[in-house]
Amino acid sequence: AQTVTQSQPEMSVQEAETVTLSCTYDTSESDYYLFWYKQPPSRQMILVIRQEAYKQQNATENRFSVNFQKAAKSFSLKISDSQLGDAAMYFCAYRSPTSGTYKYIFGTGTRLKVLA
Amino acid sequence: DAGVTQSPTHLIKTRGQQVTLRCSPKSGHDTVSWYQQALGQGPQFIFQYYEEEERQRGNFPDRFSGHQFPNYSSELNVNALLLGDSALYLCASSLYGLDGRKLFFGSGTQLSVL
Repeated sequence: AQTVTQSQPEMSVQEAETVTLSCTYDTSESDYYLFWYKQPPSRQMILVIRQEAYKQQNATENRFSVNFQKAAKSFSLKISDSQLGDAAMYFCAYRSPTSGTYKYIFGTGTRLKVLA
Repeated sequence: DAGVTQSPTHLIKTRGQQVTLRCSPKSGHDTVSWYQQALGQGPQFIFQYYEEEERQRGNFPDRFSGHQFPNYSSELNVNALLLGDSALYLCASSLYGLDGRKLFFGSGTQLSVL
């Protein structure tokens, strides 16, 4: 069975600085999808960034980028120029490549605090 | 364009009771998934509905059941509530053709079981 581990329960970053959130996963599958979701106090899970395992190029979305290390099964999220609005819970998630599956496996999350 | 809407936002029940949670998917979406998020944990997959049928199920007992209606909206039913069922219940929608590569989540229903 696949597992997702986020070993940092809480992180802090100064406004305008850069922070990296860690995520490791375990799977025997060779192709899969990885995601980072943000959950602000409104509780709605918001997709931050997605990575397909077959793509070697790291995904980027504006200030958000990932460092995908397939052999090490590591998927970290880098947030550049941190803003107060980035404060939230961040969840790493895994999805099997099996067609028709909507089962995402989430980690336990990292709470990000942004200091003014 | 309305996103995923869930009702109610909060609910308090007692042990042994039954509860029904509701979800309307994002406009144009036809697939609904339900997740349970316990305090301090990540969401856990309960089940997924498409074409009014349960297509995939996570590791949850039969006390958890669901339904999808012709307009794609969905209900989650939990019978014989336990204290451990207290959690945030999230609904997510997608378009089946996107094959689960992008889920849109609602803001959830916070269920407290006393």
